[in-house]
Amino acid sequence: AQTVTQSQPEMSVQEAETVTLSCTYDTSENNYYLFWYKQPPSRQMILVIRQEAYKQQNATENRFSVNFQKAAKSFSLKISDSQLGDTAMYFCAFMKVGGGADGLTFGKGTHLIIQP
Amino acid sequence: NAGVTQTPKFRILKIGQSMTLQCTQDMNHNYMYWYRQDPGMGLKLIYYSVGAGITDKGEVPNGYNVSRSTTEDFPLRLELAAPSQTSVYFCASKPQGPQETQYFGPGTRLLVL
Repeated sequence: AQTVTQSQPEMSVQEAETVTLSCTYDTSENNYYLFWYKQPPSRQMILVIRQEAYKQQNATENRFSVNFQKAAKSFSLKISDSQLGDTAMYFCAFMKVGGGADGLTFGKGTHLIIQP
Repeated sequence: NAGVTQTPKFRILKIGQSMTLQCTQDMNHNYMYWYRQDPGMGLKLIYYSVGAGITDKGEVPNGYNVSRSTTEDFPLRLELAAPSQTSVYFCASKPQGPQETQYFGPGTRLLVL
């Protein structure tokens, strides 16, 4: 079974600063995907970014980028030029390819607060 | 497209009551999922389906049942509600293929008293 650990229950930064959220995972699989989801107070789950394990290049989506270290089983999310709208819970998630019909395993989340 | 819709949005149940949480998607996705999110926690997979007539257990299936008679609908049944089932329930769907993204519904908040 896979496990996903997010060691920062809560983080707070000033608007326009850069913030990095940590995520580590444990798996014996070699073929998998990793995700960051955002959950604002509306509770809607929103995909922020994803990374295929077989790709060495780190994924980027506008202000969001990841640092994927496969050997260390680490998958951190960097948010640049943070905005008030980035305030939300952020969940790291793991998906094993071919098992459980691509179901996701989530970490406990990090509550990110962007201060004005 | 409406995407993934869930009803009801909120429900209070008494211990021992039963209810069905509805989930419908209009994207013709083969795969559908039910997750639960307890306070302060991430989502956990309850059941999933890879197509009409095919369902399987996820990580936390006890106390729940599902069916998948059509591609669009994937209802979740609670037979004997218990306080431990107080949670927010999310339905999700995706096309077949690991590269495809899961689309989540807005969630159903369930309170069992």
